[in-house]
Amino acid sequence: KNEVEQSPQNLTAQEGEFITINCSYSVGISALHWLQQHPGGGIVSLFMLSSGKKKHGRLIATINIQEKHSSLHITASHPRDSAVYICAVRARGKLIFGQGTELSVKP
Amino acid sequence: EAQVTQNPRYLITVTGKKLTVTCSQNMNHEYMSWYRQDPGLGLRQIYYSMNVEVTDKGDVPEGYKVSRKEKRNFPLILESPSPNQTSLYFCASSLLSPGFTPQHFGDGTRLSIL
Repeated sequence: KNEVEQSPQNLTAQEGEFITINCSYSVGISALHWLQQHPGGGIVSLFMLSSGKKKHGRLIATINIQEKHSSLHITASHPRDSAVYICAVRARGKLIFGQGTELSVKP
Repeated sequence: EAQVTQNPRYLITVTGKKLTVTCSQNMNHEYMSWYRQDPGLGLRQIYYSMNVEVTDKGDVPEGYKVSRKEKRNFPLILESPSPNQTSLYFCASSLLSPGFTPQHFGDGTRLSIL
């Protein structure tokens, strides 16, 4: 079983929908990252959080340390949000990555 | 502009022919790392470096070498590439160890070993 599990693996949404991507982990962590990988391949760091909630534009990331769970929410989704979203946790001195959630937002 | 630059972006080569993928960052970051990304396996760390002349193995170091002679550069060397090293490779850097500061990724190098 992977130490970092994301769900769903694939997600198709209509433009404007509210989207939630989930990340569960089974190890003790000091921080959690959300990354975005566009179809061209480049990876961008969206959030780094160790507690509570962070917001940037239409993106919101939350983490519940006790439940070992994080969510990434996208409000008013847009086709340009189409990408792979990757959760990564810092544990044992390194980053452990989830397998990613492929999001497609249709106009 | 703050960036991590990898070269080449694409490479097709043959088994056994030594190759180097270069990585350079202009942000004066201490920490640099190489990852490979394979379908169904996600990103896996190959090697990392906490500072100049300090490197250490990640999860999948076999068949790879690295060096960190200068702070800005962290090349990945495949001395005798094999087909199972066909993958998408990313270099990344961060001010401190990841988890304390965000990582900045290069655009990736798609490597095909025939």
